[in-house]
Amino acid sequence: GQNIDQPTEMTATEGAIVQINCTYQTSGFNGLFWYQQHAGEAPTFLSYNVLDGLEEKGRFSSFLSRSKGYSYLLLKELQMKDSASYLCAVMDSNYQLIWGAGTKLIIKP
Amino acid sequence: KAGVTQTPRYLIKTRGQQVTLSCSPISGHRSVSWYQQTPGQGLQFLFEYFSETQRNKGNFPGRFSGRQFSNSRSEMNVSTLELGDSALYLCASSGNRELRNNEQFFGPGTRLTVL
Repeated sequence: GQNIDQPTEMTATEGAIVQINCTYQTSGFNGLFWYQQHAGEAPTFLSYNVLDGLEEKGRFSSFLSRSKGYSYLLLKELQMKDSASYLCAVMDSNYQLIWGAGTKLIIKP
Repeated sequence: KAGVTQTPRYLIKTRGQQVTLSCSPISGHRSVSWYQQTPGQGLQFLFEYFSETQRNKGNFPGRFSGRQFSNSRSEMNVSTLELGDSALYLCASSGNRELRNNEQFFGPGTRLTVL
């Protein structure tokens, strides 16, 4: 079966750095997405990786290793507004997005 | 441009009833996907429509159905509602299927409660 694993919850301190991991087993691979979802709101797109390596976008970076079925989202200089759930999703060979259950990130002052 | 809109935002139904949810994608987007989101389960893919055709389908029973109109608006129908159908139903649109442009834009969702 297809499976996406990510930690259920993480806690970090304002101004610090946090890394949210995602491992996957899917039927084929057409890219990995990270989305942010604040409580009660719709998910919003953060990043897309289809090749191995690091993609940097401001305070957020996303890394992919296809051979290991592994990705992480790195958030730097954490702000209180970064408190949200972070969703990892993989597009399989049928162009269907398979979603992880999400990681709830709690930022403390 | 306007984002993805979903109606209604909230809905309360009783077991056995049926419900229809509506989604209007971003103007120009031809792909509409539907998801069910429940606490702890993450997003579960229901189906995807592209140019009025169902292009992909998740592992949900036949009680869940959908369609897409020529203007790309989509509807999702759930018949014979069960308590377990209580969830947030999200609709997402995207412009095309090119690998690097598959970002999905989500609507605010419809919160369905089945009593």
